[in-house]
Amino acid sequence: QVQLQESGPGLVKSSETLSLTCAVSGYSISSGYYWGWIRQPPGKGLEWIGQIFHSGGPYYNPSLKSRVTISIDTSKNEFSLKVSPVTAADTAIYFCARRGNTFYLDVWGKGTTVTVSS
Amino acid sequence: QSALTQPPSASGSPGQSVTISCTGTSSDVGGHNYVSWYQQHPGKAPKLMIYDVSKRPSGVPDRFSGSKSANTASLTVSGLQAEDEADYYCSSYAVSSSVIFGGGTKLTVL
Repeated sequence: QVQLQESGPGLVKSSETLSLTCAVSGYSISSGYYWGWIRQPPGKGLEWIGQIFHSGGPYYNPSLKSRVTISIDTSKNEFSLKVSPVTAADTAIYFCARRGNTFYLDVWGKGTTVTVSS
Repeated sequence: QSALTQPPSASGSPGQSVTISCTGTSSDVGGHNYVSWYQQHPGKAPKLMIYDVSKRPSGVPDRFSGSKSANTASLTVSGLQAEDEADYYCSSYAVSSSVIFGGGTKLTVL
């Protein structure tokens, strides 16, 4: 059974860097699929942040591209997200997910809440 | 890239059917058969319910079905049950951003 688990600080100061990691179990990320990040501001809808493939470069939502970095560590079977600099608008629940070839997201982490403080 | 357009709310009584629409453009919904739908209960992660417009993942009841016409995709929930009450999001491939979501629809079972 494939499982994803997000981890990282729940509180980040404005203008600093948000760093999250998604640990994957039950599946080797080197075997295929894309791996992505999605966020959900409080009481709002889902926003696609970006994705990465084990042997390819990352792809970012153009609206966030200048502030986002997604990387992958196949030796640890995990991938990561950095957003910098952050503002209050980056306060959200952050989900990691597995993305299939036809752009569906079939396995999700439970999500982690990140609050940006001033 | 604007979000796909969904009605903010929908409702139906137990046993009835309800359809939720998802409108995009020829650059996303209308340009590919890569539409998926997600169910999200409060405090939970989204769950994939439909992919490739009309395919159901293993374990999803056949009460859930999907379709598409031109730039609008639809999710139909038949035989409404109390546990279907949740937020529903559509998603599509989009040339500009890879993945784009709808704004979400809150489904209420009366």
